[in-house]
Amino acid sequence: QVQLQESGPGLVKPSGTLSLTCAVSGGSISSSNWWSWIRQPPGKGLEWIGEIYHSGSTNYNPSLKSRVTISVDKSKNQFSLKLSSVTAADTAVYYCARKRGSHWFDPWGQGTLVTVSS
Amino acid sequence: QSALTQPRSVSGSPGQSVTISCTGTSSDVGGYNYVSWYQQHPGKAPKLMIYDVSKRPSGVPDRFSGSKSGNTASLTISGLQAEDEADYYCCSYAGSYTFEVVFGGGTKLTVL
Repeated sequence: QVQLQESGPGLVKPSGTLSLTCAVSGGSISSSNWWSWIRQPPGKGLEWIGEIYHSGSTNYNPSLKSRVTISVDKSKNQFSLKLSSVTAADTAVYYCARKRGSHWFDPWGQGTLVTVSS
Repeated sequence: QSALTQPRSVSGSPGQSVTISCTGTSSDVGGYNYVSWYQQHPGKAPKLMIYDVSKRPSGVPDRFSGSKSGNTASLTISGLQAEDEADYYCCSYAGSYTFEVVFGGGTKLTVL
């Protein structure tokens, strides 16, 4: 049973770079799935950030594309998110999730709250 | 792509049925049979309830069902139970060029 776990700093300064990692256990990141990042600002809805395939191919939300980089480390069975030039609007719970073939997400990590503040 | 449109809240009594709508466009909901639904309890991660418009993952009660007509998808929960009280989000594939996925704004289900 695949499980995902996010990790990274819970506090990032404005204009800095948010960096998170998602560790995949119970399965291989090299399986035929896309691996995604999704965020949820406090009290608000879900927003898809982007995704990566084990080959390194990526797709990003057009509204965030200029600031987002998603990478994969097959040797560690994990993938990562970098979001640059952050502002308070980037404060959110960040989830990683496995995306199955027809664009549905399961399972999800437990989520990690990242606050952007000086 | 704009977020899909859901009602902010719905409610029902135990045993009743409720339906949550999710309205998009011909570029997302109406264009693909790739609508999924997620249940989220407070402080928890979303849980997949429906995928490919109407398919239920193993372990999801058959009280949950999904459908689609045109640009609007729907989630119906029959035989409401107290534990169904949660936020529900719809999701659709939206980009043959950008491979984008869009979510609805979420619906709070209250079991009276």
